[in-house]
Parts: sequence; structure tokens; C-alpha cells
Amino acid sequence: DIQMTQSPSTLSASVGDRVTITCRASQSISTWLAWYQQKPGKAPNLLIYRASRLESGVPSRFSGSGSGTEFTLTISSLLPEDFATYYCQQYYSYWTFGQGTKVEIK
Amino acid sequence: EVQLVESGGGLVQPGGSLRLSCVASGFTFNDYEMNWVRQAPGKGLEWVAYRSSTGNTKYYRDSVKGRFSISTDNAKTSVFLQMNSLRVEDTAVYYCASSELHWGQGTLVTVSS
Repeated sequence: DIQMTQSPSTLSASVGDRVTITCRASQSISTWLAWYQQKPGKAPNLLIYRASRLESGVPSRFSGSGSGTEFTLTISSLLPEDFATYYCQQYYSYWTFGQGTKVEIK
Repeated sequence: EVQLVESGGGLVQPGGSLRLSCVASGFTFNDYEMNWVRQAPGKGLEWVAYRSSTGNTKYYRDSVKGRFSISTDNAKTSVFLQMNSLRVEDTAVYYCASSELHWGQGTLVTVSS
């Protein structure tokens, strides 16, 4: 099974900060990686698919990069509504999720 | 517009059974693989079960093998998760999701005496 290691688990940041979250796969998954945002009591919301493609309707301050085993999600300038938990997901071989990164207010 | 709507969650005693349903609309259901994912209270996302687009291949995480079963009704564009021998640790919100990464809103399953 493919393992996904996401870091950090918690990130303290301020409005306007540039934020980067990393996800590492235990084997190559090409670009079969997605990023989600989740707020309490809500379903995950797809932000990025195929590692770098922005889902329709998602603001351009979100971006994704990487291939193979190393991936990053970047938020260029944090807005108040971006404080949430973020998950990476591989869908190369069935599905596996990272442990999540909680972005909290500094 | 793609929609996935789950139902069937509730409170059940340990050892009991539940059948979750997910009705899909807005896409060609037969063309896509379907998954169930769960999230225990305060925890992360955990993939549970997979069914191929043809229905010929099904796969489960180890902790639910032999207890959970995924099935579909193409005529009703629905996917189901039959959950037997439920355990306290199966308590979670259960989401259905397509291989196009569309998700439903989830249904809560609580296993407790």
C-alpha cells in the first residue's frame, strides 16, 4: 500500500502569509495527487487535482506542484477563510490520505 | 451539476448492521469508479472501500474486510456499503466519492451500546 506523509501537522500563520504544505509518497505516484480543504462539520473540498490543476471555482492563491514522490500545496497570501485543515490524497493505486495539516491563526 | 447524496447512517449497537446508500447524479455513473471514505470524530480521512467501473473489482481496507461489502445498482445510479459486525471503532462520518473526486456530504454512523 502507498503511504502518504504530510507535514507539518499544524501550521501557525497570519493573514497575508505565504504558506507551504508538503506531502511525500512512499513510492512514485506520477501526478496522481489531490489536495483538499476541510472545515469543521463539512465534507472535504477539492482544491487541486493531478498535482497542479486548479479545480474550477478555487481561488488562484492556491497552487500545487510536484511529481513522483514529492508534492507541495502553496497558499500565496492567507485569507481569514483559509484557516482550515488540508489533506493530500494519492489516487494512483486506490486511495490514501495524508494525516492532515491544520492551518491555525498565529 | 454532479451530486452525491448519502443516507442510511444512524446509531447502532456493537455487532449490528447498517446499509449506507449514495445516490449519484450529474455524471455517467457507469463510467466511474466509486469509493467510500470515512472520518472518525476529530480524526483524518480514511479510505474504506473501492468498486471498479465495471463492478468486477472490489477492494477493502484490512480492518473492514469480511465485514463490509460495496455494491452498486447502475439503474438507480447508486452505490451501497453494507456494514456488518460493526465495532465501536467504525464510528465515523462516511462519505461516498467518485474517481473524479466528487464527494457527498457524508452520513454519520455511531456504534455504541
